[in-house]
Order: sequence, then structure tokens, then C-alpha cells
Amino acid sequence: QVQLVQSGAEVKRPGASVKVSCKASGYTFTGNYMHWVRQAPGQGLEWVGRISPSSGATNFAKKFQGRVTMTTDTAITTVYMELSSLTSDDTAVYFCAREETRRFFDYWGQGTLVTVSS
Amino acid sequence: DIQMTQSPSTLSASVGDRVTITCRASQSVSSWLAWYQQKPGKAPKLLIYKASTLHTGVPSRFSGSGSGTEFTLTITSLQPDDFATYYCQPYNTFSWTFGQGTKVEIK
Repeated sequence: QVQLVQSGAEVKRPGASVKVSCKASGYTFTGNYMHWVRQAPGQGLEWVGRISPSSGATNFAKKFQGRVTMTTDTAITTVYMELSSLTSDDTAVYFCAREETRRFFDYWGQGTLVTVSS
Repeated sequence: DIQMTQSPSTLSASVGDRVTITCRASQSVSSWLAWYQQKPGKAPKLLIYKASTLHTGVPSRFSGSGSGTEFTLTITSLQPDDFATYYCQPYNTFSWTFGQGTKVEIK
């Protein structure tokens, strides 16, 4: 069965970077794009970007361009999202989500809380 | 980018009620629209894709309709497990923007 398991909660200072991981299992890792979506406390879902584990190609939401990096390690079927220059506005739960071949999101990770605080 | 507007933002309903949530797009997304359900502290779950196709395992009391710029999610006979927040999302471009969400509360 498809599973996406994310790394644990992080606490970061303003100006720092955070790297969150998402380990995939139960399907052919290189066959599907992986997305990252975040949710600030009490707010809605915000798309961050996506990466192709087979080619490394990425697409990012405009507001994150220049500040987000997504990478993959196919040997351990893991996707990473790194967000730099953190501010308190980046405090949120970050989810990875698999893009089904028809382009909607069919499986989600459990979420990783990133707290930015001085 | 395509903007998605959901209404209402909050909906109070009772078990057994019929509930309808509307999602409007700022430009046509054809039928490339998905609906997700999210409960507090949990990841979203896919309910419907291609505007009206139920995802595997989703109860038949959920249905979706619409095309172009206007879509609806309907829950016939609301069940206790359905109290949650619902999001629409187009997927026809390289920007997967979500609607702002509709919270379905117990009346």
C-alpha cells in the first residue's frame, strides 16, 4: 500500500532554513510527481511546489520561488523540501502529497509542523 | 494564477441534512477539479476528481458536479463522520491553488 512518512517536527529561528523529508513506499517512486502543501495554524491549504523524482524537474508557487529547494534521493525513495530565510509566517504544517498520473493528489503524508520562533 | 472561491466559508448542519458547497474558478478549468476532506490534525483526503468521479472507497452520499467555472460538492444525508473542512482544487495548470475551504459544523 502507498505510504508517505514525513520527518518530525522542527523549531527554527527566524532567518534559518528547514529541511523536511518525505519517504515514499508501496509504489514505483519515479512514476509520480511529489508535491508539498502547507497549512498555517487555523488557515487553509497552500500549494508550495512539486518535484519529479525521475527527472528532478520542479515547479514552484511564485511566492516561494528563490526560497524553496526540492530534491530527491531515489536510492532511499525520499523527497526533501528545504525552505530558507524563515519568518514567523512560515510557521505551518507541511504536507507531502503524491500526484496521481491524472494530476490530482491521491496520497498524503501525515504532516510536519515547522515552528519559526525567536 | 487561477483563483478559487468557495461558499459558504462555514456551514452549520444536522445529521441527515443535505449539504451543498459551491466552488467558483476565476477562469475555466474544464472538469479538472478535485475535492478534498480534512479533519482537524489530519492530512486532507481525496474525495472526488474530474469534478464528479468518486475516489475509491468514498461513500456514495458524496457527489460532485459542474464544469468550466462553477462546481458543487453535495453530501446527501450528512453523517457524523462528515463534519470536517472541504477544499476544492483545480489541476489543469502548473499551479495547484486550493479554495479557501468550507467548514461543515454541527448545528
